[in-house]
Amino acid sequence: SQTIHQWPATLVQPVGSPLSLECTVEGTSNPNLYWYRQAAGRGLQLLFYSVGIGQISSEVPQNLSASRPQDRQFILSSKKLLLSDSGFYLCAWIPRAGGNSPLHFGNGTRLTVT
Amino acid sequence: LAKTTQPISMDSYEGQEVNITCSHNNIATNDYITWYQQFPSQGPRFIIQGYKTKVTNEVASLFIPADRKSSTLSLPRVSLSDTAVYYCLVGPWDDKIIFGKGTRLHILP
Repeated sequence: SQTIHQWPATLVQPVGSPLSLECTVEGTSNPNLYWYRQAAGRGLQLLFYSVGIGQISSEVPQNLSASRPQDRQFILSSKKLLLSDSGFYLCAWIPRAGGNSPLHFGNGTRLTVT
Repeated sequence: LAKTTQPISMDSYEGQEVNITCSHNNIATNDYITWYQQFPSQGPRFIIQGYKTKVTNEVASLFIPADRKSSTLSLPRVSLSDTAVYYCLVGPWDDKIIFGKGTRLHILP
């Protein structure tokens, strides 16, 4: 069966520090991969999505970036964190064919920028 | 991805049936309707999907009228643990999948 792993679960980082969040998917090949962010009490904001290795689409201009170095690995990064980067970060996947397949989410990373 | 409209929030009491309606006036012929549930500090999880008429599983029922311009998620005999945000999405998906604000359901004792 397919599983999705995200780590770390929680993270506290000072302003200006770098960030690296990792997401991996097991049990499937060629998935579409997604990064979402959820600020406290707010909805899900799509940050990045990827349909293949090295292919990244950005939805929101910001100081974050994403990379997909391997088929089932998706990384969210920042060179210098801002206070506004605090939030709950979620990785998700669907089969490449997409269609109506539901999204499968990881358990998320709670990031607090201090 | 068809645009959807849901109530921002709803309150109900334990033991009652809760119905959350989603409007999707520009739904396309090949679109399905999918609902997710999100608890605090967790990612959304798929609960039900349908194309027309009625779909039922162990968690919920989904009612879709003939014109498919709306759908209703029905949660039978809710408990406090059903307090969550419920999202309605209409696809098939482009590569990009955007969630609306969802409906914040608060179950009272």
